[in-house]
Amino acid sequence: QQQVKQSPQSLIVQKGGISIINCAYENTAFDYFPWYQQFPGKGPALLIAIRPDVSEKKEGRFTISFNKSAKQFSLHIMDSQPGDSATYFCAASMGSWGKFQFGAGTQVVVTP
Amino acid sequence: GAGVSQSPSNKVTEKGKDVELRCDPISGHTALYWYRQSLGQGLEFLIYFQGNSAPDKSGLPSDRFSAERTGGSVSTLTIQRTQQEDSAVYLCASSLVQGATGELFFGEGSRLTVL
Repeated sequence: QQQVKQSPQSLIVQKGGISIINCAYENTAFDYFPWYQQFPGKGPALLIAIRPDVSEKKEGRFTISFNKSAKQFSLHIMDSQPGDSATYFCAASMGSWGKFQFGAGTQVVVTP
Repeated sequence: GAGVSQSPSNKVTEKGKDVELRCDPISGHTALYWYRQSLGQGLEFLIYFQGNSAPDKSGLPSDRFSAERTGGSVSTLTIQRTQQEDSAVYLCASSLVQGATGELFFGEGSRLTVL
């Protein structure tokens, strides 16, 4: 069963717009929530990550919002640019050795 | 090398053949992971190495799948008697430190196609 559910599956946004991707998890033992960005033909790369003791983390145009009670977290891409066009994966992990449960991914297309 | 290196980048094989996929992690990274990415799917955890030992093999789909790591460095994922459902991109990642907050650095993957 998928422990991390991600939506939407795909997203088209105009340049300058806001992209929002949502994830929900079941396991309350998860204690680390990263987002990975993947371009075609490349491996995923860490974009931003959050722990459940904070409700929001911002790095440049990328923000993670975290709602512990709802067991949900989201990625906001502000002022989206064509170079942001990629597939984004949320993930969650627990324990000491970093085994990740990944969402199914969201393909984001930013139109000029 | 500067990043995680995987080979081959593409492999086409016939059903029933064995394949070996290689991963060369970033130098000094003690943790190594194998994931599988099927078309349009997320990443599926296969196995984790800390040094040469594999404390978690829970994601290996069947006993046709095995992996080893030698010298705390290079890892090989072996799939025996390949099946069409094994077709996927196999991603290797390494991490400097053990633990969830150790950033995973992924290779570009080995795309396996089983005919």
